Amino acid sequence: DAKTTQPTSMDCAEGRAANLPCNHSTISGNEYVYWYRQIHSQGPQYIIHGLKNNETNEMASLIITEDRKSSTLILPHATLRDTAVYYCIVRVGGSNYQLIWGAGTKLIIKP
Amino acid sequence: EPEVTQTPSHQVTQMGQEVILRCVPISNHLYFYWYRQILGQKVEFLVSFYNNEISEKSEIFDDQFSVERPDGSNFTLKIRSTKLEDSAMYFCASTRISSGETQYFGPGTRLLVL
Repeated sequence: DAKTTQPTSMDCAEGRAANLPCNHSTISGNEYVYWYRQIHSQGPQYIIHGLKNNETNEMASLIITEDRKSSTLILPHATLRDTAVYYCIVRVGGSNYQLIWGAGTKLIIKP
Repeated sequence: EPEVTQTPSHQVTQMGQEVILRCVPISNHLYFYWYRQILGQKVEFLVSFYNNEISEKSEIFDDQFSVERPDGSNFTLKIRSTKLEDSAMYFCASTRISSGETQYFGPGTRLLVL
């Protein structure tokens, strides 16, 4: 089973920051938090990942709490094209790892 | 930017027929994966592959499934005798050799078994 819990759905106004929470209270010290998204039934798209520190790239920011039991994905200026299902995944395994997917959060960006 | 490609994008087959789904991973990647997603359900891990052998497989990946890297670029998933419940999106993913590398996914093949 997935090691994460996420809200089923969220709305966000276009142009505003979208903050997607994720709980992973049983995460181990060497397990990464990954975020992917899936638009319609397209292939999952990698967004960002982190271990302990906050991370930022051209798509998003990832804020991980100090106890690592939860994290937040931030899309700083959401557009209509960001409407998708967002998956928070704790990576299980070593170099050859599998991703265990939950149901994700359906994010709807409204004009 | 390099990306994983998959063919065909759609495949319709009759129950009991064999299908081969093809993937071209990113060129310098050495770990390969297949996942599937039944309509409206979660993405599920099927199998991982490295150094020309299966590294790990799920309970879904039974004797009807096989994977192969027939040449230096392609990675295939074969379903020997398709069942109605094999209808799903099948996604290929790949990573580089280093541990902790991100899995990058292809666009998927939509398989419909009639």
